[in-house]
Amino acid sequence: SQQGEEDPQALSIQEGENATMNCSYKTSINNLQWYRQNSGRGLVHLILIRSNEREKHSGRLRVTLDTSKKSSSLLITASRAADTASYFCATDAVETSGSRLTFGEGTQLTVNP
Amino acid sequence: NAGVTQTPKFQVLKTGQSMTLQCAQDMNHEYMSWYRQDPGMGLRLIHYSVGAGITDQGEVPNGYNVSRSTTEDFPLRLLSAAPSQTSVYFCASSYGPLAEQFFGPGTRLTVL
Repeated sequence: SQQGEEDPQALSIQEGENATMNCSYKTSINNLQWYRQNSGRGLVHLILIRSNEREKHSGRLRVTLDTSKKSSSLLITASRAADTASYFCATDAVETSGSRLTFGEGTQLTVNP
Repeated sequence: NAGVTQTPKFQVLKTGQSMTLQCAQDMNHEYMSWYRQDPGMGLRLIHYSVGAGITDQGEVPNGYNVSRSTTEDFPLRLLSAAPSQTSVYFCASSYGPLAEQFFGPGTRLTVL
């Protein structure tokens, strides 16, 4: 079963608006990562947040982590058409001794010009 | 640096055929992994390696073999292709499983 589950499955917004995607997971983790995948391409790493961190920023990206709720959110501010992509969260469960990442099913973000 | 390279980009096989998907990285990463991605789904881990000579199974290893004779290369072998193996395959590498993963461009495989 998938460790991480993204919500919503699809999101359509206008350029300039903010986009928020959520990820929930089931077991204790060491860290959580977010990746972007443009259509037909490989995944690209966006940001990593450790289990002892609550918030992290990178440019227009803001990630939060709530380990008590086993959830994370990715906020993209002032979205652009180029942000159109699928976004995935990935977790490394403590129970696997951090040996592997488990990806969620992703959120398809469409930013309309 | 080329990063992570995968060959071929596209492949069509008939049921029962075997083939090897190639993956190479030039970043001296110890950790390498293979994922498959099916339509509308996330990535599922097939096999991974924490260093040359060491491999282990992931979530969906059946029907696939791997070996890691060098740090740079991590080929994935399909022993007897089945239509259920139709998918896009991604190879990734990193300094470790908890670190940022660098992905290759993928191999789109169709099994008829």
